Amino acid sequence: DSGVTQTPKHLITATGQRVTLRCSPRSGDLSVYWYQQSLDQGLQFLIQYYNGEERAKGNILERFSAQQFPDLHSELNLSSLELGDSALYFCASSVTGTGSPLHFGNGTRLTVT
Amino acid sequence: GDSVTQMEGPVTLSEEACLTINCTYTATGYPSLFWYVQYPGEGLQLLLKATKADDKGSNKGFEATYRKETTSFHLEKGSVQVSDSAVYFCALGGSGGSNYKLTFGKGTLLTVNP
Repeated sequence: DSGVTQTPKHLITATGQRVTLRCSPRSGDLSVYWYQQSLDQGLQFLIQYYNGEERAKGNILERFSAQQFPDLHSELNLSSLELGDSALYFCASSVTGTGSPLHFGNGTRLTVT
Repeated sequence: GDSVTQMEGPVTLSEEACLTINCTYTATGYPSLFWYVQYPGEGLQLLLKATKADDKGSNKGFEATYRKETTSFHLEKGSVQVSDSAVYFCALGGSGGSNYKLTFGKGTLLTVNP
């Protein structure tokens, strides 16, 4: 058990809808990362937060947004969903923003129909 | 931009066979290199890392050496077990062991048969 909790485990929704994925980092970890894993693109870094502030951005679409709250949990919001957004979304956390190991959650599987 | 290429799978081995999963990278500067493992239904776990050229990362019998001259970080194990069956990802990060904005390879599925 990595200590990173992601909810829900599975999500099925229709095109055009909006969903929110939630991540609780390991106790003591200040940094949260979001990754998307799909069959065609593989694992792609989306965005990182450190202690509530956005730290780095990867290949995150404008329809997607994220935030980290004062209690350090994070939410990834996906809107105007398309079929191609179907993927496994992982959250990871680490103590600091650089150098310390990443601990991954078990992911949220999103299916857009 | 940065990229990681790892050998296509799937790889199927018998127990106690030798394993090599090739990984090469393209990056500017002095990246750190990682191997992550993903067991079925779970998230990724760090297996080993190397932060500078000629460093050897090792863990659970797995080893990988950071070769700057060949831009490679091949994963090796002398004798695999059934419990090693998983997907293995090579990843590239920033200098000094930096984890942020990791670039992952596509993953290699390893199946070990008894």
